[in-house]
Amino acid sequence: DADVTQTPRNRITKTGKRIMLECSQTKGHDRMYWYRQDPGLGLQLIYYSFDVKDINKGEISDGYSVSRQAQAKFSLSLESAIPNQTALYFCATSGGSAETQYFGPGTRLLVL
Amino acid sequence: AQSVAQPEDQVNVAEGNPLTVKCTYSVSGNPYLFWYVQYPNRGLQFLLKYITGDNLVKGSYGFEAEFNKSQTSFHLKKPSALVSDSALYFCAVSRYGQNFVFGPGTRLSVLP
Repeated sequence: DADVTQTPRNRITKTGKRIMLECSQTKGHDRMYWYRQDPGLGLQLIYYSFDVKDINKGEISDGYSVSRQAQAKFSLSLESAIPNQTALYFCATSGGSAETQYFGPGTRLLVL
Repeated sequence: AQSVAQPEDQVNVAEGNPLTVKCTYSVSGNPYLFWYVQYPNRGLQFLLKYITGDNLVKGSYGFEAEFNKSQTSFHLKKPSALVSDSALYFCAVSRYGQNFVFGPGTRLSVLP
């Protein structure tokens, strides 16, 4: 969905490096999410935010941190990347409790 | 805690035949249920959802799903498959719209 953008789309980094993945949305949604996708495991929730002042850990938050800079922006950081963080990362937004989630195109991350 | 099972990693069907992609879930209370589709190198796209009301839900691209509370299932169906339906399909469940949990995905291949 073009209303949710992610940068970069692809990234190769080395073990121990700090990297940031960025997500922006123009849908005006309060809720934003970060997921990682690994083959055969579906999507796993890393962090989610229901508004600018509300940040919550998901099921696999260890090794990750987030920042909600504005309603439209939600960044994911890997403070010290490790190879098992190699995955496809998705940002998503939703407008409320029963609302559909809208996904960005994903960031493919390779940690060497 | 919520969980979602998609018992088939892969479903193969001939073009023009009906298709079913299975999903079972576990959640306390009333579930919110979703189906998403992922095409290669794309983010997830919403197909349909069940929140309340009629157990048969109709969604995008001719897909439908039936909520069965007694069997805790939400199978995705389409009367006549198209080659262009070939993709990865994810079932998701949440409780009151929070803490979405995705299944591992089912790869659908529609053969011409």
